[in-house]
Amino acid sequence: LAKTTQPISMDSYEGQEVNITCSHNNIATNDYITWYQQFPSQGPRFIIQGYKTKVTNEVASLFIPADRKSSTLSLPRVSLSDTAVYYCLVGGYRGSTLGRLYFGRGTQLTVWP
Amino acid sequence: EAQVTQNPRYLITVTGKKLTVTCSQNMNHEYMSWYRQDPGLGLRQIYYSMNVEVTDKGDVPEGYKVSRKEKRNFPLILESPSPNQTSLYFCASSPTGTGGSEAFFGQGTRLTVV
Repeated sequence: LAKTTQPISMDSYEGQEVNITCSHNNIATNDYITWYQQFPSQGPRFIIQGYKTKVTNEVASLFIPADRKSSTLSLPRVSLSDTAVYYCLVGGYRGSTLGRLYFGRGTQLTVWP
Repeated sequence: EAQVTQNPRYLITVTGKKLTVTCSQNMNHEYMSWYRQDPGLGLRQIYYSMNVEVTDKGDVPEGYKVSRKEKRNFPLILESPSPNQTSLYFCASSPTGTGGSEAFFGQGTRLTVV
């Protein structure tokens, strides 16, 4: 089961770009990388997912280097409402660690005015 | 509206009194899972189910039971709750249990065992 390592916490100011890096050295060939956002006392919410290179949606970008041993979630121009815990997940792909998902502790992002 | 519904949202119970937390999804998802969240420990997977009548243990299954008799429901059963099971619980579902599948989470159940 591919586990992940993320910084415990990060701070930023409104309007800045935030990059959160996740390390996953044991990622399997068929594993995807998925990021979730969680506000206090709410369930996590899907942000973005990728397999390799770069993925962008209306909320964030995900950068994955060629060796796939790490990934970086990029949040452009954060606001106070982006203060949350961000989780990086790897795996659960059919044929490997089927069904097992490891969330870890996540990264607490705090955005200041 | 597509959603995962957990009940109850809050529950206070006494040690040893059996309880069930229900989870239901209306998206026809194959995969469902239960997590507990404790301060400083993040989200830990308790049990998951790839489809009807198929369940398997996650990282912290001790003291919990699950069943998947129908596709939409995945109840979490605590036969004899103990104070160390006081936690925030989340149910999730996704189309499949693969890495390429987005998970949808319920609103959570805050359980206190005294």
